[in-house]
Amino acid sequence: LAKTTQPPSMEAYEGQEVNVSCSHTNIATSEYIYWYRQVPHQGPQFIIQGYKDYVVNEVASLFISADRKLSTLSLPWVSLRDAAVYYCIVTDSTSGGNYKPTFGKGTSLVVHP
Amino acid sequence: NAGVIQTPRHKVTGKGQEATLWCEPISGHSAVFWYRQTIVQGLEFLTYFRNQAPIDDSGMPKERFSAQMPNQSHSTLKIQSTQPQDSAVYLCASSLDTGGRQDTQYFGPGTRLLVL
Repeated sequence: LAKTTQPPSMEAYEGQEVNVSCSHTNIATSEYIYWYRQVPHQGPQFIIQGYKDYVVNEVASLFISADRKLSTLSLPWVSLRDAAVYYCIVTDSTSGGNYKPTFGKGTSLVVHP
Repeated sequence: NAGVIQTPRHKVTGKGQEATLWCEPISGHSAVFWYRQTIVQGLEFLTYFRNQAPIDDSGMPKERFSAQMPNQSHSTLKIQSTQPQDSAVYLCASSLDTGGRQDTQYFGPGTRLLVL
């Protein structure tokens, strides 16, 4: 299974756009990329997922490099509520596949007023 | 939809005692996952079930830990002879598994276990 590498922490001010990168150099063709975030005293919450190119939803956008070895989660106009630990995981999502997500330690985003 | 329910939210046990943690997945979800989270190790996968059958328990410590899913509505994680290093937040998640692409996971709030 592919492992991911993320910066341990980032800081931003309210209203800024934040881009969190994730390296997954050994990603397999059957693996998808998922992003979750976790605030204290709660379980992780799904943000967005993708396989290639560009994905956008009402919360964030996800850019995946052409070789799929790098993904970037983009959070527009962050607020204090976006302060959380952001996890990038890659996992084989096919039924019967080796679905064993590895969350690691994530990226801790600090948002300043 | 109440989401994934985990009970108890907090549990304190003495060293050597048994701890049983409960998880009720979202109705209709066929996959259930257990994770352990500590500051040092982060969020670690333990085991998962699909349609109540154990699929992968490679993250489970080989001794003292066991997980079961006797029916669609709940799963248990049991830790025998608890040790201080078992202190962690234990998270349960569930997801749809439609036979195609795996769906996203929905996490419960976790059970915070403290072993004294």
